[in-house]
Amino acid sequence: GAVVSQHPSWVICKSGTSVKIECRSLDFQATTMFWYRQFPKQSLMLMATSNEGSKATYEQGVEKDKFLINHASLTLSTLTVTSAHPEDSSFYICSARVARGLPYEQYFGPGTRLTVT
Amino acid sequence: GNSVTQMEGPVTLSEEAFLTINCTYTATGYPSLFWYVQYPGEGLQLLLKATKADDKGSNKGFEATYRKETTSFHLEKGSVQVSDSAVYFCALSPPNTGGFKTIFGAGTRLFVKA
Repeated sequence: GAVVSQHPSWVICKSGTSVKIECRSLDFQATTMFWYRQFPKQSLMLMATSNEGSKATYEQGVEKDKFLINHASLTLSTLTVTSAHPEDSSFYICSARVARGLPYEQYFGPGTRLTVT
Repeated sequence: GNSVTQMEGPVTLSEEAFLTINCTYTATGYPSLFWYVQYPGEGLQLLLKATKADDKGSNKGFEATYRKETTSFHLEKGSVQVSDSAVYFCALSPPNTGGFKTIFGAGTRLFVKA
């Protein structure tokens, strides 16, 4: 099956610092990856769609300058939370779209728990 | 617009009980439908899927049938185990979107007691 990893699995940082989260597709190439944010006991909120070699497409209400997304290769996308604040504390999940037959499928990473103090 | 509505949780069952988690959707045309499961502290895993009306998705004892007439995709399992305790998300992918606009329900938390 398709495996997606995330690193780190959890991170604690101080307010005002930046944090980078990596999302990797381990055994396949992913031209498209998605970044979600999940608040406790709530559903996933799509933040942005990341396409290899081009700019990410952000959902309405998501600050582009705060949540920097880079998809430099077919197996790696990164999300950088810049100048983090406590309200950015959340569970961040990435997924990769596999365009193999129909319907497409999404494979999700295990998530990264960010705590900003 | 497109949307997914799930029954509110938490759902608490005893081991070996029958499980139903209701899911209804609103969409134009024939979306693909999915159930995902999220275990504590982990990301989502695809549990099962269905792509057209009357399709039945099944996996690990779980089943769901794509009902176009009732716009539903209810998740069922005949005998739950403690290890099934998790959050279950119903989701849809609108037709002709190539999977770029998957919409998730709010999730239903399931607790199974021994």
